[in-house]
Amino acid sequence: AQRVTQPEKLLSVFKGAPVELKCNYSYSGSPELFWYVQYSRQRLQLLLRHISRESIKGFTADLNKGETSFHLKKPFAQEEDSAMYYCALSGHQGGKLIFGQGTELSVKP
Amino acid sequence: ETGVTQSPTHLIKTRGQQVTLRCSSQSGHNTVSWYQQALGQGPQFIFQYYREEENGRGNFPPRFSGLQFPNYSSELNVNALELDDSALYLCASSLGGRNTDTQYFGPGTRLTVL
Repeated sequence: AQRVTQPEKLLSVFKGAPVELKCNYSYSGSPELFWYVQYSRQRLQLLLRHISRESIKGFTADLNKGETSFHLKKPFAQEEDSAMYYCALSGHQGGKLIFGQGTELSVKP
Repeated sequence: ETGVTQSPTHLIKTRGQQVTLRCSSQSGHNTVSWYQQALGQGPQFIFQYYREEENGRGNFPPRFSGLQFPNYSSELNVNALELDDSALYLCASSLGGRNTDTQYFGPGTRLTVL
């Protein structure tokens, strides 16, 4: 079955601390993996995707096919990083995105 | 460049009624995907339209139907509304119906079924 699991509903860290948002997936094949972010009162937007191998706003994510994970990391969290983060995968069926349940990141001053 | 827009912003219906939600895709995009997001959950894929043809469907009953028009705008229709249909409905547009395409989301339509 195709599934994305984000085990933490809420992650709370202090400003300047490292942050890691976990994402595990289940998919028979080679999916495309994405992280989407939703800031307060804004629409869902793409943060990064594994095919680009780029760092956005200091966030990186590495696809680990052996562990079927795509964890999102940032070495030093900022208060403006507080938002809802969704991990998603897209398989071979066109652009269907399968989302995890989301992790709310709260960065305290 | 105009982003994805959705209308209405929110609406309230009663059980058994029918509803139509609308989405205008981002300029230059020919693909529209619809998602349902229940409270506290991630978005769930309903279906996708690519150049006016359905290009994939999620696990939703036939009373969820859609259309895409020649200008690539789209409608989501839901018949015989049920209480569980209460959710945020998101529309996303992309350049093509491929799994590598970035999807750009609209602000959503909040549907409440009483």
